[in-house]
Amino acid sequence: KAGVTQTPRYLIKTRGQQVTLSCSPISGHRSVSWYQQTPGQGLQFLFEYFSETQRNKGNFPGRFSGRQFSNSRSEMNVSTLELGDSALYLCASSSRLGTGAQGTQYFGPGTRLLVL
Amino acid sequence: KQEVTQIPAALSVPEGENLVLNCSFTDSAIYNLQWFRQDPGKGLTSLLLIQSSQREQTSGRLNASLDKSSGRSTLYIAASQPGDSATYLCAKGYSTLTFGKGTMLLVSP
Repeated sequence: KAGVTQTPRYLIKTRGQQVTLSCSPISGHRSVSWYQQTPGQGLQFLFEYFSETQRNKGNFPGRFSGRQFSNSRSEMNVSTLELGDSALYLCASSSRLGTGAQGTQYFGPGTRLLVL
Repeated sequence: KQEVTQIPAALSVPEGENLVLNCSFTDSAIYNLQWFRQDPGKGLTSLLLIQSSQREQTSGRLNASLDKSSGRSTLYIAASQPGDSATYLCAKGYSTLTFGKGTMLLVSP
């Protein structure tokens, strides 16, 4: 079974530009979560989508947005890029357990974004 | 506010040693607990998931336990190998994950 894929793997942008990152979950997984990883803050939750609906959102400004398509693929968008947005953006997919909790989260390789 | 703390931040051991990585939390709400490893510049690899109703999980040389009353989890690695060198992260959550800062492990041949 193919794992979580993310595109592109590397990206260089300048301040003020916008960027769109893509994530394809493991086949059959309907939950997709996004995380930002930086050396200073570590891993921080951005948002979670399940069946095309945003279920949870982390403490990030409105410049960060996302969506999920009917095939469970997800995109996240960052508008008006700032230097501090330079980070590794990780996507994870999972199935839902009977309890309603998320099952094991499987992460993709990430997209490394550098903002100049 | 940091809800998940991992100690130690870094650990260096010779090959063959058994070791324990620690993870603690500030609240005792219902949650699952997941351990990951991350190799430099790479994504996260899931190691073990302990559901809220469970106390431990085992996979090969790895054993993870969860004590919700004390807000602590430990990852035990038996007979460590150089290939175990990586950063180990614990994360708690039910529908979203809150991560610790990780323990950087180096196993020397």
